[in-house]
Amino acid sequence: GDSVTQMEGPVTLSEEAFLTINCTYTATGYPSLFWYVQYPGEGLQLLLKATKADDKGSNKGFEATYRKETTSFHLEKGSVQVSDSAVYFCAGEETSGSRLTFGEGTQLTVNP
Amino acid sequence: GAVVSQHPSWVICKSGTSVKIECRSLDFQATTMFWYRQFPKQSLMLMATSNEGSKATYEQGVEKDKFLINHASLTLSTLTVTSAHPEDSSFYICSARVLVPNYGYTFGSGTRLTVV
Repeated sequence: GDSVTQMEGPVTLSEEAFLTINCTYTATGYPSLFWYVQYPGEGLQLLLKATKADDKGSNKGFEATYRKETTSFHLEKGSVQVSDSAVYFCAGEETSGSRLTFGEGTQLTVNP
Repeated sequence: GAVVSQHPSWVICKSGTSVKIECRSLDFQATTMFWYRQFPKQSLMLMATSNEGSKATYEQGVEKDKFLINHASLTLSTLTVTSAHPEDSSFYICSARVLVPNYGYTFGSGTRLTVV
């Protein structure tokens, strides 16, 4: 079945540092891909998404490009802030109307 | 738009009692809802998928008699943890599939259940 793999965490950065969180997927087709963010004690919020190859999702300074050739959807941000500290989940949906498959989650801590 | 309201946000109950968690779609009709369980510092584990008006589909290893899911309307799905035990203590999150205007999934804010 399909699976999503995230880089091992946790990740600790200083404010204004560059962020990359790796995500790769395994699927028989080309799933829609999502990044979600979870703040402590809360549910998940959609950060960005891409539904086909070469699509770039972006929101709040975060970006991720759907790379079919490397089956990846890495999350990047040029300059992180303390308020970006949270857990980030990569997720894929094999086919429209199926279900989400989540990666393991990556804890990001940004220090001032 | 596409907001799911989940209540309660936290609950403490005694062993042997039942607890009901509600998820309401506030501004859209949710034909499909998902219930997840999340352990500390772990990812979300899908427990069941519920479709309005039909029986929920449970994932392997999830006791359907213990985790009762009802999706009787297009705006409300409930999860009842029956005869709760301390090992049921966890963070439970609901999610709904959104079709319009943008396809995707929206999540409730979660319920922290503690069984004492």
